[in-house]
Amino acid sequence: QSALTQPRSVSGSPGQSVTISCTGTSSDVGAYNYVSWYQQHPGKAPKLMIYDVTKRPSGVPDRFSGSKSGNTASLTISGLQSDDESKYYCCSYAGTYLLVFGGGTTLTVL
Amino acid sequence: EVQLLESGGGLVQPGGSLRLSCAASGFTFSTYAMAWVRQAPGKGLEWVSSIRGSDTNTYYADSLRGRFTISRDNSKNSLYLQMNSLTAEDTAVYFCAKGVSGDSWVYMDPWGQGTLVTVSS
Repeated sequence: QSALTQPRSVSGSPGQSVTISCTGTSSDVGAYNYVSWYQQHPGKAPKLMIYDVTKRPSGVPDRFSGSKSGNTASLTISGLQSDDESKYYCCSYAGTYLLVFGGGTTLTVL
Repeated sequence: EVQLLESGGGLVQPGGSLRLSCAASGFTFSTYAMAWVRQAPGKGLEWVSSIRGSDTNTYYADSLRGRFTISRDNSKNSLYLQMNSLTAEDTAVYFCAKGVSGDSWVYMDPWGQGTLVTVSS
């Protein structure tokens, strides 16, 4: 399975909104509503931020939201805060009991 | 509080084998799927394998099937990853992760801090 495509980096100022895209194919992102997003601070373990395309685990601020259109999923972070500066990975079920991650996007809060 | 503690990483020669362990606590281990995800130095996340809690069905990344074997011992609250025929491309931090909800293996949280595997002569 091929990795999902994410922009290498995005940036935004505090208080602004940013959107990170995650492009797959009709065999993964486009086929299933099993898309998730993980946040990983440097040297730390990843943390689940979004699952089932749009759902937030308890404890994740509602500033984080997910969506999907066709073969592309998106993570939007509104009201950017300095602590949001991190690396974000999308992940999708790819059929036949396979999972595939995106290459990761570095978010810089200016 | 859920805790996942990986162990077993280290330096291994190309062609060698290694067995990773993950000790779990803070939840009813046998009722949750578990997973291994790896991250090569400076690279992104790569799903390695998952195993369900109830029927121990196992799932693998295509590129690793046949060399890696995931298993669990519910009596010891432990998850394992047996890695054979290792190459330099297997050098990575290996994370153990808990399935989010019951036997669902698609979403993982929380994750352990990882154990580093270095394949080098």
